[in-house]
Amino acid sequence: AQSVAQPEDQVNVAEGNPLTVKCTYSVSGNPYLFWYVQYPNRGLQFLLKYITGDNLVKGSYGFEAEFNKSQTSFHLKKPSALVSDSALYFCAVRDTSGTYKYIFGTGTRLKVLA
Amino acid sequence: GAVVSQHPSWVICKSGTSVKIECRSLDFQATTMFWYRQFPKQSLMLMATSNEGSKATYEQGVEKDKFLINHASLTLSTLTVTSAHPEDSSFYICSASPSLNAEAFFGQGTRLTVV
Repeated sequence: AQSVAQPEDQVNVAEGNPLTVKCTYSVSGNPYLFWYVQYPNRGLQFLLKYITGDNLVKGSYGFEAEFNKSQTSFHLKKPSALVSDSALYFCAVRDTSGTYKYIFGTGTRLKVLA
Repeated sequence: GAVVSQHPSWVICKSGTSVKIECRSLDFQATTMFWYRQFPKQSLMLMATSNEGSKATYEQGVEKDKFLINHASLTLSTLTVTSAHPEDSSFYICSASPSLNAEAFFGQGTRLTVV
């Protein structure tokens, strides 16, 4: 079965500092990995994805993620955090074995402190 | 990016009534759409996969007679919460993807409150 784990419920970082939100995955076959952000009472917004190609993926709003096959990780990063980055972040993997459904992690709340 | 529109964004209904939530893909066709439920400060729980022209596939533990899903066209899926009760109050979100390799696009969500 495919699964995604986000080990941190919350991450606090000072504005201007680099941030990392962790994600590990378990899949059979090649992973289709995604990061989404959710603001209060809103749907999810797409940040970036890894399907194939370069391990370092660049996405929206200055975010990037590094696909690490040996560590089965797909951590989200940003060199310099903004207060406006404070939100709920979800890592997801897409099942490619037949159902094509998305499996989401439990989410990590990012709080950027001014 | 592609747009998925969900309507209404919030609804308050009386216990025992039914509520219909619409999910539309505005600029692409979606043979498959997904319906999620999200509890406060929790992750998204997949309720069902909506398949155009066929029956929806429900996740284990989701009552298909209570949460009716219809996917009558390639751009529209509806979720009807029948005989709603206060415990059905939640945030419901739909999503769709243009293709297997593409990311999913999400609706704005619907806040349902049953009183």
